[in-house]
Amino acid sequence: NAGVTQTPKFRVLKTGQSMTLLCAQDMNHEYMYWYRQDPGMGLRLIHYSVGEGTTAKGEVPDGYNVSRLKKQNFLLGLESAAPSQTSVYFCASSDQRAPQHFGDGTRLSIL
Amino acid sequence: ELKVEQNPLFLSMQEGKNYTIYCNYSTTSDRLYWYRQDPGKSLESLFVLLSNGAVKQEGRLMASLDTKARLSTLHITAAVHDLSATYFCAVGDTSGTYKYIFGTGTRLKVLA
Repeated sequence: NAGVTQTPKFRVLKTGQSMTLLCAQDMNHEYMYWYRQDPGMGLRLIHYSVGEGTTAKGEVPDGYNVSRLKKQNFLLGLESAAPSQTSVYFCASSDQRAPQHFGDGTRLSIL
Repeated sequence: ELKVEQNPLFLSMQEGKNYTIYCNYSTTSDRLYWYRQDPGKSLESLFVLLSNGAVKQEGRLMASLDTKARLSTLHITAAVHDLSATYFCAVGDTSGTYKYIFGTGTRLKVLA
């Protein structure tokens, strides 16, 4: 099983450009999450979903949008990228009370 | 609002020594997790703690949970170099949101 797959793995954007990060899981998990990881700040929750068709805001949602049209996929969008969004982005999925399974991360640089 | 504090942030220790990492959280929770992250890699699950007094052990690592004190500890026994990594605790929000709040992580370096 692939587990949680994130694409792309690396990306460089210019300020103002838009892009979508894709997260796919093959474990039939209900819950999916997007985090960003910055040095010295741990993981901060951007948005999450508790099932197909649902999304909710996390700790740092501004500047990001998400969609979960299919249970296995969770998309994170940046409409107008800013340098402050340079980070490593992790997607995770889980069942209730089970530990989260993480993808390998997307390293995003915004110039 | 759930807040999670982890300390120390950095820990440099000699092989063979023991040490403890602490994870404090601010509101009631019924689930706490410990993860390990190697440099440039993803996070992998170490322990799941779901009840007061829960204790889990794997090799040289032991995690415990005191829900009354809102405290979890990760104890390292006779550290070895392979344990060098960053360790995170994550606490489940019980306000019906199914989200998790992570601590800032403890970067552990075990010196030979």
